[in-house]
Amino acid sequence: NAGVTQTPKFQVLKTGQSMTLQCAQDMNHNSMYWYRQDPGMGLRLIYYSASEGTTDKGEVPNGYNVSRLNKREFSLRLESAAPSQTSVYFCASSEAGEREYFGPGTRLTVT
Amino acid sequence: QKEVEQNSGPLSVPEGAIASLNCTYSDRGSQSFFWYRQYSGKSPELIMSIYSNGDKEDGRFTAQLNKASQYVSLLIRDSQPSDSATYLCAGRGSGSARQLTFGSGTQLTVLP
Repeated sequence: NAGVTQTPKFQVLKTGQSMTLQCAQDMNHNSMYWYRQDPGMGLRLIYYSASEGTTDKGEVPNGYNVSRLNKREFSLRLESAAPSQTSVYFCASSEAGEREYFGPGTRLTVT
Repeated sequence: QKEVEQNSGPLSVPEGAIASLNCTYSDRGSQSFFWYRQYSGKSPELIMSIYSNGDKEDGRFTAQLNKASQYVSLLIRDSQPSDSATYLCAGRGSGSARQLTFGSGTQLTVLP
């Protein structure tokens, strides 16, 4: 039982490049989330998926897209990376409004 | 305006003391609250959840919720150096999606 896994752990991109962050959970949770964390800002919700087949914008969705591929997997795509997207990205999952379980994070630097 | 506010700290306490972390929220419909601990470079891990007014104790940790005052707190008794971390308060909103809203976090240092 791995919980929530994320790939990659680290990534450096040049401005304008694209990439996809992958997330998977093995807890059969319906809800999945993508957050970004910047110094002094806490965790800010980018997108979430309340159930398979649905996605909704969070607090800071601009510059990102998501795909809920199936119940296990929820990916985050940066189409044209910008230095402002340098951050640590966390994926999380939960069931029925209960606690959220977090993945180990992806540290992204955009130069 | 952020919906969940924490005393930003940083907070330092001596080993063995009580550390008090505070949080206020603006969404009166919020029903559940969570305290997460985050070590530097790691992901948040849940310490306590609280759903009802009053106190909830788990070992050295006590969470307190006062819905009338829209206030949540976390007390850490007999603080240890290993408690040094950033503590994040989060509330689950009353909207259709009921996603978590996090405070900015309070950095706690326990001095040996």
